[in-house]
Amino acid sequence: ETGVTQTPRHLVMGMTNKKSLKCEQHLGHNAMYWYKQSAKKPLELMFVYNFKEQTENNSVPSRFSPECPNSSHLFLHLHTLQPEDSALYLCASSQPLQGREQYFGPGTRLTVT
Amino acid sequence: AQSVTQPDIHITVSEGASLELRCNYSYGATPYLFWYVQSPGQGLQLLLKYFSGDTLVQGIKGFEAEFKRSQSSFNLRKPSVHWSDAAEYFCAVGPLAGNEKLTFGTGTRLTIIP
Repeated sequence: ETGVTQTPRHLVMGMTNKKSLKCEQHLGHNAMYWYKQSAKKPLELMFVYNFKEQTENNSVPSRFSPECPNSSHLFLHLHTLQPEDSALYLCASSQPLQGREQYFGPGTRLTVT
Repeated sequence: AQSVTQPDIHITVSEGASLELRCNYSYGATPYLFWYVQSPGQGLQLLLKYFSGDTLVQGIKGFEAEFKRSQSSFNLRKPSVHWSDAAEYFCAVGPLAGNEKLTFGTGTRLTIIP
């Protein structure tokens, strides 16, 4: 695997379900990000992790719970979601203090029914 | 605060024609500037970036961008578009000192007609 991978690519869940999104980066980076991309809305930064420490929580509802066990893996745990949470969830990584460009995964298309 | 404006929501060009996508930014120092492309259902792919040096930056897929400090602009150009260039294009600026955040524009959707 190369770059940033995300699983699953598609997820349909009911409002009472619990599921997790997984992101893995193979670039040796130390910063990872979760973004939400909804139709006709700007890209929304949700969480930032630097060297496994959460450094940004952009007023995200508690039904979204991130986890970063190491610099290569990032999870987004989902529970009791709402239909308006349906979106494309993108993971990205970068190397702090170098380059600053972020590399994105292909995203998980989430549908909440 | 930093911000990015992409004034064109949707642009349509003919295959083979030239392209220019506009990006204006607001930033308190010398910015890092980026252009990304997103095909439907996919993640964002980095096309090019600028931080310092030559103000004309070459990227992948035949794209280039020019940094103009006096106009706070970083417009993306391609001399001859291909049908495969149809996608959404995002300009980004950052990061702020002390964090790694980028600020993205709202995107420009590019449609290519035969």
